[in-house]
Amino acid sequence: SAVISQKPSRDICQRGTSLTIQCQVDSQVTMMFWYRQQPGQSLTLIATANQGSEATYESGFVIDKFPISRPNLTFSTLTVSNMSPEDSSIYLCSVGDSWRAEAFFGQGTRLTVV
Amino acid sequence: RKEVEQDPGPFNVPEGATVAFNCTYSNSASQSFFWYRQDCRKEPKLLMSVYSSGNEDGRFTAQLNRASQYISLLIRDSKLSDSATYLCVVVSGYALNFGKGTSLLVTP
Repeated sequence: SAVISQKPSRDICQRGTSLTIQCQVDSQVTMMFWYRQQPGQSLTLIATANQGSEATYESGFVIDKFPISRPNLTFSTLTVSNMSPEDSSIYLCSVGDSWRAEAFFGQGTRLTVV
Repeated sequence: RKEVEQDPGPFNVPEGATVAFNCTYSNSASQSFFWYRQDCRKEPKLLMSVYSSGNEDGRFTAQLNRASQYISLLIRDSKLSDSATYLCVVVSGYALNFGKGTSLLVTP
């Protein structure tokens, strides 16, 4: 199992600003994932954060808007840049060998952009 | 067509009832299947994996039908604490594909 500490748990931000979300894992993991969950919607994968290389972004998400850092095997950050109200959502980090085993999630960051 | 589709509900059932959720998926090459539970304002947590032979964990039974590309979750003797959103998850490649979730409310 993995214990994930994600912060902040929530924030209210002004449009045009940026917010960096941190995710700390209690063990070394190869792959970390960042998801977005908009109200009433399913979790949508934003990107996969790989240690030692650039993140891999899913269709519809770009590095300029969601820059990701992965400085080591236990930590990652996701920045939501130049925010607009449409970015209001819950952002979750996750770890796991997704193809065969349980995925573990951070507690989520509830972002409101005003 | 979405990768994973679920009936969003809500399903309102009395305590002690049996309730079943279905989920369909579009990618026939999908390798793994799971049900996750998400409580209000909480992160998703694994409820159970779904195997081709079907599997049971207490009051919960999960089944997979590869030919028809659907999975199911059966909850027997519903408890108030079962109230939550149940997410169907299908793994294709390295990606977890989530359904929107089915909302269950168990009432006294």
